[in-house]
Amino acid sequence: LAKTTQPISMDSYEGQEVNITCSHNNIATNDYITWYQQFPSQGPRFIIQGYKTKVTNEVASLFIPADRKSSTLSLPRVSLSDTAVYYCLVGESYNFNKFYFGSGTKLNVKP
Amino acid sequence: NAGVTQTPKFQVLKTGQSMTLQCAQDMNHNSMYWYRQDPGMGLRLIYYSASEGTTDKGEVPNGYNVSRLNKREFSLRLESAAPSQTSVYFCASRTPGDTEAFFGQGTRLTVV
Repeated sequence: LAKTTQPISMDSYEGQEVNITCSHNNIATNDYITWYQQFPSQGPRFIIQGYKTKVTNEVASLFIPADRKSSTLSLPRVSLSDTAVYYCLVGESYNFNKFYFGSGTKLNVKP
Repeated sequence: NAGVTQTPKFQVLKTGQSMTLQCAQDMNHNSMYWYRQDPGMGLRLIYYSASEGTTDKGEVPNGYNVSRLNKREFSLRLESAAPSQTSVYFCASRTPGDTEAFFGQGTRLTVV
């Protein structure tokens, strides 16, 4: 089970690009990297998933270097509504019960 | 499309009381999960059901039981509630092989 390390909290201002890095040194060959977002009083919501290089969707981009020992979630031009906790999870897609939701990164976007 | 629905949304129990948290999904997902989240913490897996008819323990199963009633419904039962079980409980479902899980809105449980 690949353990992940990410910053406990980050501050940003509206309109800025935010990059949250996650370290997963013991990632296995079959592991995917997945990010979830959780707003207060809500369940987590899937944001993005990747295996290598770069993945982009309408919400975020995920950058994964060649060695896959880390990944960076990039949120373009954040707004106040992006204030949330962001979780980085690593594991095999068919073994979701092994996915570990750590404490995540609390992103605080200021006006 | 309701997604994952949990009932109730809030509950207060006295120590020793029992109750069942209900979860239903309408996405035809095979796999369902129950998590708890304590203040300021991440989610911890209590039990999961990889498919209809099967259930398995997660990280923190003690004090809980589950029932996979059918493909749609997965319930969590507290037989004798304890203050340590005060938490927010989330149910989730997904398609096997997919890392995108869908979560309910949570049940906020307080045991006094």
